[in-house]
Amino acid sequence: EAQVTQNPRYLITVTGKKLTVTCSQNMNHEYMSWYRQDPGLGLRQIYYSMNVEVTDKGDVPEGYKVSRKEKRNFPLILESPSPNQTSLYFCASKQGFSGNTIYFGEGSWLTVV
Amino acid sequence: AQTVTQSQPEMSVQEAETVTLSCTYDTSENNYYLFWYKQPPSRQMILVIRQEAYKQQNATENRFSVNFQKAAKSFSLKISDSQLGDTAMYFCAFTSHSSGSARQLTFGSGTQLTVLP
Repeated sequence: EAQVTQNPRYLITVTGKKLTVTCSQNMNHEYMSWYRQDPGLGLRQIYYSMNVEVTDKGDVPEGYKVSRKEKRNFPLILESPSPNQTSLYFCASKQGFSGNTIYFGEGSWLTVV
Repeated sequence: AQTVTQSQPEMSVQEAETVTLSCTYDTSENNYYLFWYKQPPSRQMILVIRQEAYKQQNATENRFSVNFQKAAKSFSLKISDSQLGDTAMYFCAFTSHSSGSARQLTFGSGTQLTVLP
């Protein structure tokens, strides 16, 4: 089954404690991306990757890091989380760089206290 | 930069009735794609319908159809015979065909649709 898998799905953490949200896709997609969803703002792109070792900033990259060492994985790293990073996070992937269908993970609820 | 606007934060419709959700966008691109995504209470993002800008024919998927007005930069979603399972947040989204901005899937702020029994 084609899918994008994120872990953890739910996490409560404290300010400043580094955390990583993993993302893996089994569709051999070149393109992967991270979004955060906040009330009234829709989904906003954090980082994206066109292929292995190729990453770039989206609209809201501050406070986040990513890496793309393997095609299937695209982890999101919060080096020093802050309460304003409390949000619902989505990983997504798609084939190619045009308007192909984008597949989303199930979302990761992150609360920073 | 592209922007997507959904001016209706909340809407409701009676079961079996028809409802239309509005979306407008702003872009200088000529080739692009538009999407409607559904997000039920589970928070899963589900693709409802997709429209390619160079196609004049409006996309349809069963009870879901769009009214794509390229000159007006409008992309509304019509849901016919509304069902209780259609209750969800609906997001309009845009992506450009050009490689320079193909990274970006720009979302509107969403419309919460409630189908009433």
